[in-house]
Amino acid sequence: ELKVEQNPLFLSMQEGKNYTIYCNYSTTSDRLYWYRQDPGKSLESLFVLLSNGAVKQEGRLMASLDTKARLSTLHITAAVHDLSATYFCAPPMGSNYQLIWGAGTKLIIKP
Amino acid sequence: EAEVAQSPRYKITEKSQAVAFWCDPISGHATLYWYRQILGQGPELLVQFQDESVVDDSQLPKDRFSAERLKGVDSTLKIQPAELGDSAMYLCASSFGLAGGGDTQYFGPGTRLTVL
Repeated sequence: ELKVEQNPLFLSMQEGKNYTIYCNYSTTSDRLYWYRQDPGKSLESLFVLLSNGAVKQEGRLMASLDTKARLSTLHITAAVHDLSATYFCAPPMGSNYQLIWGAGTKLIIKP
Repeated sequence: EAEVAQSPRYKITEKSQAVAFWCDPISGHATLYWYRQILGQGPELLVQFQDESVVDDSQLPKDRFSAERLKGVDSTLKIQPAELGDSAMYLCASSFGLAGGGDTQYFGPGTRLTVL
């Protein structure tokens, strides 16, 4: 069964703290996407990780990919309230590169 | 900045009625996707188009849902008749459609459907 598991599913943290969201997947995929979704809004592309060992950083967010372990991480450094959102990871599968979505990690950052 | 357009943004309907959603992808994007997202879950792919052709509609409930992209540009998703369980956010996304696939999907604002 194809699965994408995100851990944790819910995270409440204080501003200024660091934390990591984990994404484990069961497909043999050479890439992975991270998206952000604000409440009631659509999905915004954050990162595309295109190969084993890929690391991308944007502001306080850094994503990495280990295709051998089928693991991606999203690290938050010195969290700020504006980063509160739900974060989804999605590896593609099959010849059509259909995205397989995790359940999302709801992140709440308290001032 | 180019964006995926969707309309309407919100739709309230009664069960057994017909509803239709429209999507205009980013100009030049060959691949178009329709997703359904239930609150608290990840998106579920309903149908994927490459130009005007359906690439994957294995998760589309074909007894009541239909989708078309006649000229390979904009697309319409229809539900007839709507059921209570269809209440969800319907998202359209597009990608450039590189040979070999796997390019980033860009999402529209979505249509929030409520079936009463």
